[in-house]
Amino acid sequence: AQSVSQHNHHVILSEAASLELGCNYSYGGTVNLFWYVQYPGQHLQLLLKYFSGDPLVKGIKGFEAEFIKSKFSFNLRKPSVQWSDTAEYFCAVIATGGFKTIFGAGTRLFVKA
Amino acid sequence: DAGVTQSPTHLIKTRGQQVTLRCSPKSGHDTVSWYQQALGQGPQFIFQYYEEEERQRGNFPDRFSGHQFPNYSSELNVNALLLGDSALYLCASSLGSGGYEQYFGPGTRLTVT
Repeated sequence: AQSVSQHNHHVILSEAASLELGCNYSYGGTVNLFWYVQYPGQHLQLLLKYFSGDPLVKGIKGFEAEFIKSKFSFNLRKPSVQWSDTAEYFCAVIATGGFKTIFGAGTRLFVKA
Repeated sequence: DAGVTQSPTHLIKTRGQQVTLRCSPKSGHDTVSWYQQALGQGPQFIFQYYEEEERQRGNFPDRFSGHQFPNYSSELNVNALLLGDSALYLCASSLGSGGYEQYFGPGTRLTVT
C-alpha cells in the first residue's frame, strides 16, 4: 500500500533561515508528487507538483522541491523563509493513472519574525 | 471565478444519526474527491466521483456513501455516526480523468457527540 512519511511534525525557524522539509513515499510504481500548503484560516492550496521531466520543480512563493527517485523522496526547500510562510505543509502522492491521493501527516512551520 | 464551496461550515450530530455534506466544484471541474481530516492528521481519501460514478474508494466503511449530480456537485453521506467520525471533511475538485491537480474547499467541521 502507498504511504507518505513527513519527517518533522513541527519546525520553528527564524526569518531568513533556510528550510528543508522531508517527504518520503512508499510505492513501487510511477508516481506524481505534490506539496500542498495551508495558511492559517485558509484552504489547502497547491504549492508545487511533479509529474515528469526535470526532478527539480519550482512552485509559488520561492519554494522548490527535488524528486529523488532512488530515495523515494520529494523534499521541499526554500532558501530564505519569511514570517508569512508560517503554515502547515503536506506532501502527497498519487500513482500515475490512479485516482487516490495519499497525504502525509503534515509539518507545521512557524517562522519567528 | 468561484472556487470549491462546501456546506454547511459546521455541524453537530449525535451518535447514530446520519449526515449529508455538500460540495460544489470549481467552475469547469468535473471530478470531486472527498477527504476526512482528523485533528493533527493529513487528509485521508474517502472516494472520488467522476461522471456521476464512484471511481475509487479509500479504506472507509460502507457507512460512507456519496453521490455526484449532473452539474458535478456532490454529496457525502455518513450513516450511523460514531464519535470517531468527528473530523474536518474536505472536498476537492479537479478536471478530467487525469485530473491530479486538486482544488480544495474550506471543509465542513463535523462534531459527533
